[in-house]
Amino acid sequence: GAVVSQHPSRVICKSGTSVKIECRSLDFQATTMFWYRQFPKQSLMLMATSNEGSKATYEQGVEKDKFLINHASLTLSTLTVTSAHPEDSSFYICSAGVGGPPDTQYFGPGTRLTVL
Amino acid sequence: GQSLEQPSEVTAVEGAIVQINCTYQTSGFYGLSWYQQHDGGAPTFLSYNGLDGLEETGRFSSFLSRSDSYGYLLLQELQMKDSASYFCAVENSGNTPLVFGKGTRLSVIA
Repeated sequence: GAVVSQHPSRVICKSGTSVKIECRSLDFQATTMFWYRQFPKQSLMLMATSNEGSKATYEQGVEKDKFLINHASLTLSTLTVTSAHPEDSSFYICSAGVGGPPDTQYFGPGTRLTVL
Repeated sequence: GQSLEQPSEVTAVEGAIVQINCTYQTSGFYGLSWYQQHDGGAPTFLSYNGLDGLEETGRFSSFLSRSDSYGYLLLQELQMKDSASYFCAVENSGNTPLVFGKGTRLSVIA
C-alpha cells in the first residue's frame, strides 16, 4: 500500500515552454502533498505544500507564479513549471502521507526535467 | 530556526557495520525518520523513532535520544546495494512538511 506515482518520469523541453508534472496517490487519499526539488548530490528542497481544495503554501524564495500547484482531488496534485529556463532543470519529487504521527512520507519516483 | 546535521560522506567495507549520526534543532518535535535514496531514484522510508530507544528492522536499526536531540541509523552486514544517500528527517507535527537533513552518502566498498 501507500504508492505514489509521478508522470512523466523524464521530460526535455525548450526554454520558455511550460511543463506539467502529475503526482497521484494510488491507494490512499492525501489531503496534503509536498513538492520537492533536488539538484545533483544535494538534499531535498521543499518547494511547496499542496493542500486539497485550497491554495498551496510556498516556501520562501519559491515563485508561486512560476511553479503553479493545483490539488484538485484527494489523489492528484499537479506542478506546472511555467516559462521554464535551463536553471529550472532539476529532479522534482512529490510526496504524500497518510497522516500521523508518524507522518511517514511516501515519495513518487520523481521527474527529471531538462530545459534546453 | 530548524537544522539537522549529519555527515556528508561515509565509506565502509562490505560486511561491516556503519552508524550514521544525526543531530537536530527543531521545535515541536514528534519524531525522527530515516530515508534511503539511490542515485536517480526517489527517497524510500526506512525507519521512524517517536520514542527514545532503538528500533530494529532487519539489518537496519535506528536510535533516538530526545534529551540529546540526537539519533542514528545503524546498518549491519553491509552489502554493496546499501551504497546510497541516507537522510534523517524531523517530523514537527501532523500535516507539516518533514524537515530533511542534507544527507549522508554511504559508499560500500569490497
